[in-house]
Amino acid sequence: AQSVAQPEDQVNVAEGNPLTVKCTYSVSGNPYLFWYVQYPNRGLQFLLKYITGDNLVKGSYGFEAEFNKSQTSFHLKKPSALVSDSALYFCAVRVPWAGSYQLTFGKGTKLSVIP
Amino acid sequence: EAQVTQNPRYLITVTGKKLTVTCSQNMNHEYMSWYRQDPGLGLRQIYYSMNVEVTDKGDVPEGYKVSRKEKRNFPLILESPSPNQTSLYFCASSLSPGITDTQYFGPGTRLTVL
Repeated sequence: AQSVAQPEDQVNVAEGNPLTVKCTYSVSGNPYLFWYVQYPNRGLQFLLKYITGDNLVKGSYGFEAEFNKSQTSFHLKKPSALVSDSALYFCAVRVPWAGSYQLTFGKGTKLSVIP
Repeated sequence: EAQVTQNPRYLITVTGKKLTVTCSQNMNHEYMSWYRQDPGLGLRQIYYSMNVEVTDKGDVPEGYKVSRKEKRNFPLILESPSPNQTSLYFCASSLSPGITDTQYFGPGTRLTVL
C-alpha cells in the first residue's frame, strides 16, 4: 500500500528565512507526487506536482520541491518565507499502476512564518 | 469562474437525521471525489466517481452514500449520521481520472453531529 509521511506537525520559520516542509513516501516503484496548501477556512489549493523529468519542480507562489528517489522524499521549499505563507501543507501521492485513482495524503504540516 | 461549490458550508444536526451535502463543479470534469479531514489524520477519501453513473469506494466509505446522475453534481448522503462523522468534508474534481491530473477542491463543509 502506498503511504505518505510528513514527519513534522508544525514548522516555525522567521519571515525572510528559507523554509522546508518535509515529505517522504513509501510506494512500490515510481510515484506521482503533489503538494497542496490549505489556508484557514479555505479548501485545498494545488501548489505543484512531480510526474517525471527534472527532479526540481517549481510551483505557485514561489514554492519548489525536490524529488529524491534514493531518499524517497519530496520536500517543499521556498527561498524566502512570507507571513502570508502561514498555512497547512499537505503532501500527496498516487501510484501509476496500482489500479486505483486514489490520492493518498499525508497528515499535514502547519507552517507558521513569524514576522 | 471555474470552481467547485459545496452546500451547506456549515451544518449542525442530530444523530440519525438524514442529510445531503451537495457538490457541483462547472469545469466539465469527469472525475469527482469526497474526502473527510480530521485532525492528525489528514484527508481520507470517502468515495470517488470516474464519470456519470460510475462510483467506487475510497478508504472510509462506511456510513456514506453517493450518486452521480449528472456530470456536474456529486452529492454526499449520510442516511443515519453518527457523532463519529463529525468532520470537515471536501469535494474535489479533476478533468479526467488520469493520475497526473490536478484535483480542484471545494471550500469545505463543516459537519457536527450531536
